[in-house]
Amino acid sequence: GAVVSQHPSWVICKSGTSVKIECRSLDFQATTMFWYRQFPKQSLMLMATSNEGSKATYEQGVEKDKFLINHASLTLSTLTVTSAHPEDSSFYICSAINSGSLGETQYFGPGTRLLVL
Amino acid sequence: SQQGEEDPQALSIQEGENATMNCSYKTSINNLQWYRQNSGRGLVHLILIRSNEREKHSGRLRVTLDTSKKSSSLLITASRAADTASYFCATTPKGYSSASKIIFGSGTRLSIRP
Repeated sequence: GAVVSQHPSWVICKSGTSVKIECRSLDFQATTMFWYRQFPKQSLMLMATSNEGSKATYEQGVEKDKFLINHASLTLSTLTVTSAHPEDSSFYICSAINSGSLGETQYFGPGTRLLVL
Repeated sequence: SQQGEEDPQALSIQEGENATMNCSYKTSINNLQWYRQNSGRGLVHLILIRSNEREKHSGRLRVTLDTSKKSSSLLITASRAADTASYFCATTPKGYSSASKIIFGSGTRLSIRP
C-alpha cells in the first residue's frame, strides 16, 4: 500500500517550453503532497507544499509563477515548470501523506528527471 | 536550508564489511528517518527513530540517536553489492510531524566493492 507514482519518469524539452509533471497517490487519498528538487549529487530540497483545494505554499526562494502547482483532487498534484531553462534541469520528486493514517511519514514517488536543452 | 550534515560524504568498503554513516543536525527534532536512494531513482524509506528512542534495528540496519549530541548513525552490517546507493538522514523538527515537514541531510554515497 501507499504507492505514489510520477509521470513522466523523464522528459527532455527545449528551452522556453513548459513541462507538466504529475504526482499520483495510487491507493490512498492525499490532502497534502510535497514537491522536492534534487540536483546531481545533492540532497533533496523542498520546493513547495501542495494542498488539495487550496493554493500551494512555496519555500523561500522558489518562484511560484515559475513552478505552478495544482492539487485539484485527493489523488493528483501537478507541477508545471513554465518557460523552462537549462538551469531548471533537475530531478523532481513528489511525496504524499496518507490522510487515513497517523501520517508519520511521507511516501515518495520515483522521481521525474527533467533535461532542458 | 539543510538541517542535517552527513559524514562521510562518500564511503567505499569491501563487500561483507560493515558500513557506518553519521548524521548531525542543528535543532531539536521530533524524529529522524533514514532513506536510501539508488542512482537516479526515488527514495526508499529505511527506518524511523523517535526522539525518545536511542536505538532501533531492522534486519541488517542499526540506527542510533543521541539527542544530546544532535547526531544519529546508520550501521549496515555484512554489506552487499546491492547496498550501493546514497543514504540520507531526514529530520522532522520539534513541533512538526513527518507529515508536515522533513528536512534532508546532505547524504552519504556508499559504494560496495565486490
